[in-house]
Amino acid sequence: EDKVVQSPLSLVVHEGDTVTLNCSYEVTNFRSLLWYKQEKKAPTFLFMLTSSGIEKKSGRLSSILDKKELFSILNITATQTGDSAVYLCAVWAAGNKLTFGGGTRVLVKP
Amino acid sequence: DTEVTQTPKHLVMGMTNKKSLKCEQHMGHRAMYWYKQKAKKPPELMFVYSYEKLSINESVPSRFSPECPNSSLLNLHLHALQPEDSALYLCASSPRDNSNQPQHFGDGTRLSIL
Repeated sequence: EDKVVQSPLSLVVHEGDTVTLNCSYEVTNFRSLLWYKQEKKAPTFLFMLTSSGIEKKSGRLSSILDKKELFSILNITATQTGDSAVYLCAVWAAGNKLTFGGGTRVLVKP
Repeated sequence: DTEVTQTPKHLVMGMTNKKSLKCEQHMGHRAMYWYKQKAKKPPELMFVYSYEKLSINESVPSRFSPECPNSSLLNLHLHALQPEDSALYLCASSPRDNSNQPQHFGDGTRLSIL
């Protein structure tokens, strides 16, 4: 059975800090890994990663994939209170299904 | 606001009621999905429609009945639900049902079963 595990479960930081979120996976026929941010409603798409070692960046957020060690990290620099959310990692694998990890809850304090 | 629109935003129903959740997208996407999300848990896939045909049913109980009338609309018909079915129901769409394209989610319908 496909498995996606995120760590830590939650963390609390102060504005300006940098956070690193982890996502490891064990799936059959990996195809791509996605990161989403979920506040109160819809998960919003952040990144899709398919190739190892190529960093994707969007503003203060960046992500990279390691297909040999089967993990990805999501970095947020200079955090702001608006970054408070649950960050979800999901993996496309065989069977065309998206399997989600349990999420990391991030709270950024002023 | 997202480009995937779900109605209603909230729904309270009794165990004997029949109701429907609706999802609409006008991005020309040909794959649409229903997910169930319990509090503090990730979304769990229920159904996948590809080109208006049901392609994946994750062993969902028959009290949930999906329908895809056309490429822009996805419904979820509910009948005789149980209290444990209370959750956030999310609809998503993607250009195709493959791994090269991200899914875009609606805001969800928060369902409470009395």
